[in-house]
Amino acid sequence: SQTIHQWPATLVQPVGSPLSLECTVEGTSNPNLYWYRQAAGRGLQLLFYSVGIGQISSEVPQNLSASRPQDRQFILSSKKLLLSDSGFYLCAWSAATRSPLHFGNGTRLTVT
Amino acid sequence: TQLLEQSPQFLSIQEGENLTVYCNSSSVFSSLQWYRQEPGEGPVLLVTVVTGGEVKKLKRLTFQFGDARKDSSLHITAAQPGDTGLYLCAGGGGGSNYKLTFGKGTLLTVNP
Repeated sequence: SQTIHQWPATLVQPVGSPLSLECTVEGTSNPNLYWYRQAAGRGLQLLFYSVGIGQISSEVPQNLSASRPQDRQFILSSKKLLLSDSGFYLCAWSAATRSPLHFGNGTRLTVT
Repeated sequence: TQLLEQSPQFLSIQEGENLTVYCNSSSVFSSLQWYRQEPGEGPVLLVTVVTGGEVKKLKRLTFQFGDARKDSSLHITAAQPGDTGLYLCAGGGGGSNYKLTFGKGTLLTVNP
């Protein structure tokens, strides 16, 4: 069966520090991968998605970037965090473009 | 930009009551998904509906996709405390540029 791992679960970082969140998927190959941000436990905002290694599409101009160095690995990064980067970050995968999403358990990021 | 409006935003009911939550848009969607999210976790898919007028049942949950594929509803019969959570609808656009648009969710609390 397929599983998705996302870490860390919680993170507190000072303003101006770098960020690296990692997500890996097991049990499937060539998945579509996604990074979402959820504010205050509400709706999800798509940040990045990837349909293959090295292929990243950005949905929202921001202080973040994403990379996909391996087929089942998706990384969310920032060189310098802002207070507004605080939130709940969710990684997800799908088998194909129109398939349902399977989410990880998220990372709660607090920028202080 | 496709938008999904969910109502009500908050709903608190007693165990055993019935309830309906709504997901509305002025845009047509090729498919619509419902997810449930518990605190500190990622959303979990409940159902996908793809045909206008489609009705799907999942135990005590009944999902309906509007005839024009612009709206959907979720009805829960005899709600239980285990139904507590954030219910999110997500619409998929048509064509080659398929992306999911999420509503802001309905936060349901079922009191014992």
